[in-house]
Amino acid sequence: GAGVSQTPSNKVTEKGKYVELRCDPISGHTALYWYRQSLGQGPEFLIYFQGTGAADDSGLPNDRFFAVRPEGSVSTLKIQRTERGDSAVYLCASSPTGTSSTDTQYFGPGTRLTVL
Amino acid sequence: AQSVTQLGSHVSVSEGALVLLRCNYSSSVPPYLFWYVQYPNQGLQLLLKYTSAATLVKGINGFEAEFKKSETSFHLTKPSAHMSDAAEYFCAVSSPAGKSTFGDGTTLTVKP
Repeated sequence: GAGVSQTPSNKVTEKGKYVELRCDPISGHTALYWYRQSLGQGPEFLIYFQGTGAADDSGLPNDRFFAVRPEGSVSTLKIQRTERGDSAVYLCASSPTGTSSTDTQYFGPGTRLTVL
Repeated sequence: AQSVTQLGSHVSVSEGALVLLRCNYSSSVPPYLFWYVQYPNQGLQLLLKYTSAATLVKGINGFEAEFKKSETSFHLTKPSAHMSDAAEYFCAVSSPAGKSTFGDGTTLTVKP
């Protein structure tokens, strides 16, 4: 796999349901980021992993949102009791080290989440 | 704290004309600045980045940007627009840990 992949590409769910969004980063990349992009806006930071640990989760909007990266590669973003306002494109990015501001972040194509 | 403001949510130019997309930033530390392009239904692709090595940064597809500290700006330019440049463009500023703050984007339309 040459790039960051995300599954599913589209997810439609009903209000109140639980969803999981998956991100496969570029092999060997230590840092992994989740962003949320609402219609007409730029990506908004959610959480950043350095290896297996969440180094910065200050962007998670509330306790319905949770993310894990148990083996330091694949990450799953979990949303409980989904609300219509959660509808957005969820972007994942990875970078080689995450310890340098000049690291290039490589973005996946995103998962479009629609909550009915 | 850091923030980015992109002036103009929509920019329209004729093919062959100069492209100028504006970005102003705010950062409490020396900034690292990025421009990304996003084509419909695709992920963000890095165009160029400023890392304090040189104030004029050249990127892919003929784009370049100039860092002006006195104006807190990092405007993106291209001398001659091509139809394939039509896309959405995002300016971003990065924190030391790589967490990025993005502007709201500018949609570039190129008219034949």
